[in-house]
Amino acid sequence: DTAVSQTPKYLVTQMGNDKSIKCEQNLGHDTMYWYKQDSKKFLKIMFSYNNKELIINETVPNRFSPKSPDKAHLNLHINSLELGDSAVYFCASSQGGTSGRRYNEQFFGPGTRLTVL
Amino acid sequence: KQEVTQIPAALSVPEGENLVLNCSFTDSAIYNLQWFRQDPGKGLTSLLLIQSSQREQTSGRLNASLDKSSGRSTLYIAASQPGDSATYLCAVSRGGGNKLTFGTGTQLKVEL
Repeated sequence: DTAVSQTPKYLVTQMGNDKSIKCEQNLGHDTMYWYKQDSKKFLKIMFSYNNKELIINETVPNRFSPKSPDKAHLNLHINSLELGDSAVYFCASSQGGTSGRRYNEQFFGPGTRLTVL
Repeated sequence: KQEVTQIPAALSVPEGENLVLNCSFTDSAIYNLQWFRQDPGKGLTSLLLIQSSQREQTSGRLNASLDKSSGRSTLYIAASQPGDSATYLCAVSRGGGNKLTFGTGTQLKVEL
């Protein structure tokens, strides 16, 4: 009964490669996010999609391209990986709209630890 | 630009003690505030969410309060247990995409 899942959990790759991280949620939410947690454990938003439409894009290099094939999936593709891209990437989702007491509560996946060598 | 600060950065307490974690934010025009815990090498677990119109939320031994006008929230943990050891993060949301701005975290250790 996994709520937000990410694959892979670990990703080790060489500088210059292209890689993708996949995210899926089975909560029926219509908003999904990507966050980056750096080596100092600081979390920062990267992207947000609502019903497959991009609504937040936070000064992220255009080597990072999110793709939302449907509202249950938000994948992150990274081109020409650099050393500084090494981090833990978290996917999250929330229910948009005004229903429910826990409006807009965000639920996070387990994270993908990306190491660029 | 919203900035979120958490004090203390680290805290060690004996089991059974009641404790308070603090979170402050610079822009009071928030939509909601969410408290999370993060265990080493794991994802974030949502603990409590407080809407901007609310003053507090409770879940079990946890109680979170919100004073939006002064830009502060506290997370109260009653009768702490070793299993409460984790990093606690607060995050505030503004409308228009529900972007969460995270605090720096408080690393809590509850000792036997």
